[in-house]
Amino acid sequence: QKEVEQNSGPLSVPEGAIASLNCTYSDRVSQSFFWYRQYSGKSPELIMSIYSNGDKEDGRFTAQLNKASQYVSLLIRDSQPSDSATYLCAVNVEEGGSEKLVFGKGTKLTVNP
Amino acid sequence: NAGVMQNPRHLVRRRGQEARLRCSPMKGHSHVYWYRQLPEEGLKFMVYLQKENIIDESGMPKERFSAEFPKEGPSILRIQQVVRGDSAAYFCASSTFSRPQHFGDGTRLSIL
Repeated sequence: QKEVEQNSGPLSVPEGAIASLNCTYSDRVSQSFFWYRQYSGKSPELIMSIYSNGDKEDGRFTAQLNKASQYVSLLIRDSQPSDSATYLCAVNVEEGGSEKLVFGKGTKLTVNP
Repeated sequence: NAGVMQNPRHLVRRRGQEARLRCSPMKGHSHVYWYRQLPEEGLKFMVYLQKENIIDESGMPKERFSAEFPKEGPSILRIQQVVRGDSAAYFCASSTFSRPQHFGDGTRLSIL
């Protein structure tokens, strides 16, 4: 059973601060990792994908991947109240000709004005 | 709108009725995935389909649930004889192989 674990939160940060979200996964062969943002009552929205060890930056978001430690993280710089949402870590699991996303339970982030 | 289209957005059924959820993938995407999100739970994989083929249904309950993606038309997730425990948000996602999956707005299923 492939598993993805996230800090359960909730995580609360002041506006302008850095929010740090963490995720570990059990499947050693996974090559593709994603962060989705989900506002309450809405659908998951892809915000970052990362495939190689190291950092990937996109605007205020930075994803970090360490395959040896089976760890992926998301940093949100200059956090804004509009960033308040649940952040879902997802790992693409490929096996037996299939592929599917395995999700963590999500970390709820609140950015306080 | 070139995104993943799901309908209906909300569906109310009485226990024992059938529920049909539809999903049209993004233009150019041939892979469709269905996920279920129970209240206060994470997203769980249900089934992965390509045109006219079920690739992986390992996440589907053994009974009452079925899915198809015909040559023409949308993918359908069908739930027969619904029970209260089927109440959830059902999300469809589409992609091309090994590319990120993009999600539709979901169908919120409520069972009376």
